[in-house]
Amino acid sequence: NAGVMQNPRHLVRRRGQEARLRCSPMKGHSHVYWYRQLPEEGLKFMVYLQKENIIDESGMPKERFSAEFPKEGPSILRIQQVVRGDSAAYFCASSPFRSDNSNQPQHFGDGTRLSIL
Amino acid sequence: DQQVKQNSPSLSVQEGRISILNCDYTNSMFDYFLWYKKYPAEGPTFLISISSIKDKNEDGRFTVFLNKSAKHLSLHIVPSQPGDSAVYFCILTGANSKLTFGKGITLSVRP
Repeated sequence: NAGVMQNPRHLVRRRGQEARLRCSPMKGHSHVYWYRQLPEEGLKFMVYLQKENIIDESGMPKERFSAEFPKEGPSILRIQQVVRGDSAAYFCASSPFRSDNSNQPQHFGDGTRLSIL
Repeated sequence: DQQVKQNSPSLSVQEGRISILNCDYTNSMFDYFLWYKKYPAEGPTFLISISSIKDKNEDGRFTVFLNKSAKHLSLHIVPSQPGDSAVYFCILTGANSKLTFGKGITLSVRP
Protein backbone atom coordinates (compact mmCIF):
# COMPACT_ATOMS: atom_id res chain seq x y z
CA ASN A 1 0.00 0.00 0.00
CA ALA A 2 2.74 2.41 -1.00
CA GLY A 3 3.83 3.43 2.46
CA VAL A 4 0.83 4.50 4.53
CA MET A 5 1.57 2.87 7.87
CA GLN A 6 -1.09 2.18 10.46
CA ASN A 7 -0.52 0.73 13.89
CA PRO A 8 -1.46 -1.31 15.64
CA ARG A 9 -2.95 -3.68 13.06
CA HIS A 10 -5.18 -5.19 15.72
CA LEU A 11 -6.32 -3.58 18.94
CA VAL A 12 -8.44 -5.13 21.66
CA ARG A 13 -10.02 -2.96 24.31
CA ARG A 14 -12.57 -3.48 27.07
CA ARG A 15 -15.65 -1.30 27.26
CA GLY A 16 -14.83 2.04 28.85
CA GLN A 17 -11.15 2.05 27.89
CA GLU A 18 -9.47 4.38 25.44
CA ALA A 19 -8.29 3.40 21.96
CA ARG A 20 -5.52 5.24 20.11
CA LEU A 21 -4.99 4.49 16.43
CA ARG A 22 -1.93 5.82 14.64
CA CYS A 23 -1.34 6.67 11.00
CA SER A 24 1.89 7.72 9.33
CA PRO A 25 1.14 9.05 5.84
CA MET A 26 3.24 8.39 2.79
CA LYS A 27 6.41 10.43 2.57
CA GLY A 28 5.63 13.86 1.18
CA HIS A 29 1.91 13.59 1.93
CA SER A 30 0.45 16.28 4.13
CA HIS A 31 -3.26 15.39 3.86
CA VAL A 32 -4.72 12.60 5.96
CA TYR A 33 -8.19 11.06 5.92
CA TRP A 34 -9.76 8.59 8.35
CA TYR A 35 -12.49 6.12 7.38
CA ARG A 36 -14.38 3.45 9.33
CA GLN A 37 -15.67 0.18 7.93
CA LEU A 38 -18.36 -1.71 9.80
CA PRO A 39 -18.98 -5.39 8.91
CA GLU A 40 -20.65 -5.87 5.51
CA GLU A 41 -20.45 -2.14 4.80
CA GLY A 42 -18.37 0.18 2.68
CA LEU A 43 -15.92 2.59 4.22
CA LYS A 44 -17.44 5.72 5.74
CA PHE A 45 -15.59 9.04 5.86
CA MET A 46 -14.81 10.33 9.34
CA VAL A 47 -12.35 13.22 9.22
CA TYR A 48 -9.92 15.05 6.93
CA LEU A 49 -6.81 16.69 8.39
CA GLN A 50 -3.80 18.63 7.31
CA LYS A 51 -0.80 19.29 9.53
CA GLU A 52 -2.14 20.93 12.71
CA ASN A 53 -5.55 21.56 11.13
CA ILE A 54 -8.85 19.74 11.01
CA ILE A 55 -10.32 20.51 7.58
CA ASP A 56 -13.54 18.49 7.73
CA GLU A 57 -14.83 16.43 10.66
CA SER A 58 -18.38 16.04 9.43
CA GLY A 59 -18.20 12.24 9.63
CA MET A 60 -16.98 12.07 13.22
CA PRO A 61 -19.39 11.03 15.97
CA LYS A 62 -20.16 14.02 18.16
CA GLU A 63 -18.85 12.46 21.35
CA ARG A 64 -15.85 10.35 22.40
CA PHE A 65 -14.03 10.61 19.05
CA SER A 66 -11.21 13.01 18.25
CA ALA A 67 -8.42 13.25 15.71
CA GLU A 68 -5.21 15.17 15.36
CA PHE A 69 -2.33 15.49 12.92
CA PRO A 70 0.49 17.31 14.73
CA LYS A 71 3.36 19.11 13.09
CA GLU A 72 5.63 16.23 14.00
CA GLY A 73 4.61 12.61 14.24
CA PRO A 74 1.69 10.50 13.06
CA SER A 75 -1.96 11.32 12.89
CA ILE A 76 -3.91 9.95 15.86
CA LEU A 77 -7.53 8.86 15.99
CA ARG A 78 -8.61 8.68 19.62
CA ILE A 79 -11.74 6.97 20.91
CA GLN A 80 -12.57 7.50 24.56
CA GLN A 81 -14.77 5.21 26.68
CA VAL A 82 -15.13 2.66 23.89
CA VAL A 83 -18.38 0.73 23.44
CA ARG A 84 -19.10 -2.50 21.55
CA GLY A 85 -20.44 -0.53 18.58
CA ASP A 86 -16.98 0.97 18.03
CA SER A 87 -15.73 -2.44 16.86
CA ALA A 88 -14.74 -1.89 13.23
CA ALA A 89 -11.83 -1.57 10.85
CA TYR A 90 -10.40 1.94 10.80
CA PHE A 91 -8.52 2.99 7.69
CA CYS A 92 -6.26 5.95 7.15
CA ALA A 93 -5.49 7.41 3.74
CA SER A 94 -3.13 10.14 2.60
CA SER A 95 -2.57 12.33 -0.44
CA PRO A 96 0.09 14.88 -1.34
CA PHE A 97 -2.42 17.60 -2.03
CA ARG A 98 -6.12 18.07 -1.54
CA SER A 99 -7.62 14.93 -3.07
CA ASP A 100 -10.48 16.32 -5.13
CA ASN A 101 -9.84 14.60 -8.41
CA SER A 102 -8.55 11.40 -9.88
CA ASN A 103 -5.05 12.81 -10.29
CA GLN A 104 -4.63 12.78 -6.54
CA PRO A 105 -6.06 9.42 -5.47
CA GLN A 106 -5.96 8.69 -1.79
CA HIS A 107 -3.52 5.97 -0.74
CA PHE A 108 -4.76 3.73 2.04
CA GLY A 109 -3.05 1.93 4.86
CA ASP A 110 -3.96 -1.64 5.78
CA GLY A 111 -6.18 -0.54 8.63
CA THR A 112 -6.50 -1.12 12.36
CA ARG A 113 -9.03 -3.72 13.42
CA LEU A 114 -10.53 -2.62 16.72
CA SER A 115 -12.33 -5.17 18.84
CA ILE A 116 -14.23 -4.21 21.97
CA LEU A 117 -14.78 -6.90 24.57
CA ASP B 1 -29.19 7.84 2.87
CA GLN B 2 -27.21 5.60 0.55
CA GLN B 3 -25.75 7.73 -2.22
CA VAL B 4 -23.84 4.91 -3.91
CA LYS B 5 -25.57 1.61 -4.56
CA GLN B 6 -23.82 -1.57 -5.54
CA ASN B 7 -26.86 -3.81 -5.61
CA SER B 8 -25.16 -7.09 -6.42
CA PRO B 9 -23.06 -8.14 -3.43
CA SER B 10 -21.12 -10.76 -5.37
CA LEU B 11 -20.17 -11.89 -8.86
CA SER B 12 -18.54 -15.11 -10.05
CA VAL B 13 -16.87 -15.25 -13.46
CA GLN B 14 -14.82 -17.80 -15.38
CA GLU B 15 -11.19 -16.91 -16.03
CA GLY B 16 -10.78 -15.24 -19.44
CA ARG B 17 -14.37 -13.97 -19.55
CA ILE B 18 -15.58 -10.43 -18.98
CA SER B 19 -16.49 -9.17 -15.50
CA ILE B 20 -19.04 -6.35 -15.36
CA LEU B 21 -19.48 -4.60 -12.04
CA ASN B 22 -22.34 -2.13 -11.75
CA CYS B 23 -22.94 0.92 -9.60
CA ASP B 24 -25.81 3.41 -9.31
CA TYR B 25 -25.72 6.77 -7.60
CA THR B 26 -28.32 9.28 -6.51
CA ASN B 27 -26.46 12.60 -6.24
CA SER B 28 -25.26 14.35 -9.41
CA MET B 29 -22.97 16.76 -7.57
CA PHE B 30 -19.89 14.55 -7.69
CA ASP B 31 -17.00 15.38 -10.00
CA TYR B 32 -15.13 12.10 -10.17
CA PHE B 33 -16.05 8.46 -10.00
CA LEU B 34 -13.46 5.99 -8.79
CA TRP B 35 -13.05 2.27 -8.49
CA TYR B 36 -10.87 0.84 -5.74
CA LYS B 37 -9.98 -2.81 -5.21
CA LYS B 38 -9.54 -4.40 -1.81
CA TYR B 39 -7.99 -7.72 -0.79
CA PRO B 40 -8.71 -9.24 2.64
CA ALA B 41 -6.74 -7.69 5.52
CA GLU B 42 -5.42 -4.93 3.24
CA GLY B 43 -6.45 -1.37 2.53
CA PRO B 44 -8.24 -0.37 -0.69
CA THR B 45 -6.04 0.44 -3.67
CA PHE B 46 -6.90 2.81 -6.50
CA LEU B 47 -7.81 1.08 -9.76
CA ILE B 48 -9.31 3.50 -12.26
CA SER B 49 -11.37 6.69 -12.38
CA ILE B 50 -13.53 8.75 -14.68
CA SER B 51 -14.39 12.43 -14.72
CA SER B 52 -18.03 13.46 -14.76
CA ILE B 53 -17.47 15.12 -18.14
CA LYS B 54 -16.46 11.86 -19.83
CA ASP B 55 -18.36 8.67 -20.58
CA LYS B 56 -15.51 6.19 -20.88
CA ASN B 57 -12.00 5.65 -19.56
CA GLU B 58 -9.79 2.70 -20.36
CA ASP B 59 -6.63 1.41 -18.69
CA GLY B 60 -5.37 -1.94 -19.90
CA ARG B 61 -7.88 -4.64 -19.02
CA PHE B 62 -10.05 -2.19 -17.09
CA THR B 63 -12.66 0.12 -18.62
CA VAL B 64 -15.09 2.33 -16.73
CA PHE B 65 -18.29 3.58 -18.35
CA LEU B 66 -20.37 6.46 -17.05
CA ASN B 67 -24.01 7.08 -18.01
CA LYS B 68 -24.90 10.35 -16.33
CA SER B 69 -28.50 10.45 -17.48
CA ALA B 70 -29.08 7.06 -15.85
CA LYS B 71 -26.74 7.84 -12.93
CA HIS B 72 -25.04 4.55 -13.62
CA LEU B 73 -21.40 3.51 -13.60
CA SER B 74 -19.87 0.20 -14.61
CA LEU B 75 -16.43 -1.38 -14.50
CA HIS B 76 -15.49 -3.91 -17.16
CA ILE B 77 -12.56 -6.27 -16.67
CA VAL B 78 -11.53 -8.29 -19.69
CA PRO B 79 -10.08 -10.83 -19.70
CA SER B 80 -10.70 -11.62 -16.04
CA GLN B 81 -7.87 -13.28 -14.12
CA PRO B 82 -7.88 -15.19 -10.80
CA GLY B 83 -5.79 -12.39 -9.27
CA ASP B 84 -8.69 -10.02 -9.89
CA SER B 85 -10.67 -11.80 -7.17
CA ALA B 86 -11.27 -9.08 -4.58
CA VAL B 87 -13.87 -6.64 -3.30
CA TYR B 88 -14.48 -3.73 -5.67
CA PHE B 89 -15.75 -0.42 -4.35
CA CYS B 90 -17.51 2.19 -6.45
CA ILE B 91 -16.63 5.60 -5.02
CA LEU B 92 -17.77 9.14 -5.67
CA THR B 93 -15.75 12.21 -4.84
CA GLY B 94 -15.74 15.92 -5.38
CA ALA B 95 -14.29 19.19 -4.19
CA ASN B 96 -14.83 18.32 -0.56
CA SER B 97 -12.25 15.50 -0.86
CA LYS B 98 -14.47 12.97 0.88
CA LEU B 99 -14.67 9.56 -0.73
CA THR B 100 -18.23 8.23 -0.66
CA PHE B 101 -18.09 4.44 -0.87
CA GLY B 102 -20.60 1.87 -2.02
CA LYS B 103 -20.86 -1.36 -0.03
CA GLY B 104 -18.64 -3.20 -2.48
CA ILE B 105 -18.96 -6.19 -4.79
CA THR B 106 -17.03 -9.39 -4.15
CA LEU B 107 -15.65 -10.67 -7.46
CA SER B 108 -14.55 -14.30 -7.71
CA VAL B 109 -12.73 -15.36 -10.85
CA ARG B 110 -12.75 -19.13 -11.28
CA PRO B 111 -9.65 -20.74 -12.88
